[in-house]
Amino acid sequence: DAGVTQSPTHLIKTRGQQVTLRCSPKSGHDTVSWYQQALGQGPQFIFQYYEEEERQRGNFPDRFSGHQFPNYSSELNVNALLLGDSALYLCASSETGLQGYTFGSGTRLTVV
Amino acid sequence: KNEVEQSPQNLTAQEGEFITINCSYSVGISALHWLQQHPGGGIVSLFMLSSGKKKHGRLIATINIQEKHSSLHITASHPRDSAVYICAVTGNQFYFGTGTSLTVIP
Repeated sequence: DAGVTQSPTHLIKTRGQQVTLRCSPKSGHDTVSWYQQALGQGPQFIFQYYEEEERQRGNFPDRFSGHQFPNYSSELNVNALLLGDSALYLCASSETGLQGYTFGSGTRLTVV
Repeated sequence: KNEVEQSPQNLTAQEGEFITINCSYSVGISALHWLQQHPGGGIVSLFMLSSGKKKHGRLIATINIQEKHSSLHITASHPRDSAVYICAVTGNQFYFGTGTSLTVIP
């Protein structure tokens, strides 16, 4: 049984560009959460998707948006990239109503 | 002030030593998680607990709800335990500590 799959694993973008990161949840999980982890810091919650809707959101600007598809996979979109957006982006899936989370290996985004 | 505070930030131990990492939180929670992150980024969930104590192999996690405090213990530490250990809590959202970087020297 595959866990959480994220793609791509690494990505280099130029300031001002847009990026899309993808996440496939663990089988049986219907809730996907996204986190940003800057170097040397703990992860910060971006948002959570359930039933194709954003259910909760952390303190991130509107440049960060997402989507969840009927098969529960999810995308994270970041527009107008800034150098400070360089980070590891982690996706975690869970089954709604339960507290167990499974994390992906992350996408390392570098903005130059 | 962070909702989740961990100590120490960095820890170096000799192989075989008993290790304790502490976590304090300031928000109401439904569960507390201990996570392990190796270089490269992948996170593994070690424990999820809402009361008492859990044990898995050489790892033990405890939580005191009244004191809003949790500890992660590693017995007979080994170099392969070297990683960043992150405490996180779930309340109305997921809050993470900044992690404890553990290095176990042979």
